Amino acid sequence: NAGVTQTPKFQVLKTGQSMTLQCAQDMNHEYMSWYRQDPGMGLRLIHYSVGAGITDQGEVPNGYNVSRSTTEDFPLRLLSAAPSQTSVYFCASSTQGGYGTDTQYFGPGTRLTVL
Amino acid sequence: GQSLEQPSEVTAVEGAIVQINCTYQTSGFYGLSWYQQHDGGAPTFLSYNALDGLEETGRFSSFLSRSDSYGYLLLQELQMKDSASYLCAVYSSASKIIFGSGTRLSIRP
Repeated sequence: NAGVTQTPKFQVLKTGQSMTLQCAQDMNHEYMSWYRQDPGMGLRLIHYSVGAGITDQGEVPNGYNVSRSTTEDFPLRLLSAAPSQTSVYFCASSTQGGYGTDTQYFGPGTRLTVL
Repeated sequence: GQSLEQPSEVTAVEGAIVQINCTYQTSGFYGLSWYQQHDGGAPTFLSYNALDGLEETGRFSSFLSRSDSYGYLLLQELQMKDSASYLCAVYSSASKIIFGSGTRLSIRP
């Protein structure tokens, strides 16, 4: 049971490049989320999904796309990278979105630098 | 709008007790959670409060006052391994989930 896995762990991009951050979970969780974490700021919700084929925007969705074709995978796509997207990205999964005593399980994070 | 406030840093002594506060402003409040995050690591869930009062889990306790829009995390018998950042997070109908910027807890021997 690997939990939540993210690849890559580190990535450097040039402005304007596109890429996909991968996230997978093997706990059969319906709910998956993407967050970014910047120094001095809390985690901010980018996009989330309540099940395969269903996605919705969070607090800071601009510049990012997501899709959810399977329960296990929830990739995050950067369409045209900008220096403002330099951050640490965390993927999380849970049974019910982390409400109540439902635990959100976080992946190890992807550290992205955009030059 | 929605907002969360928590102190940026707290220092305590090994074996002592420390309280980390969190005040929030939101509409459609559901509950407040606490997460622990070590440097370079991922957040891990500690506790959740939906109703007023104190929830205890081992050395950690969490308190909520809905009328005051306030909660705190209480850590007892501090150990060096408790040195980490502690994030409060509020769940609401207005914004799903909002995290505070985190409180960095430093523990001295």
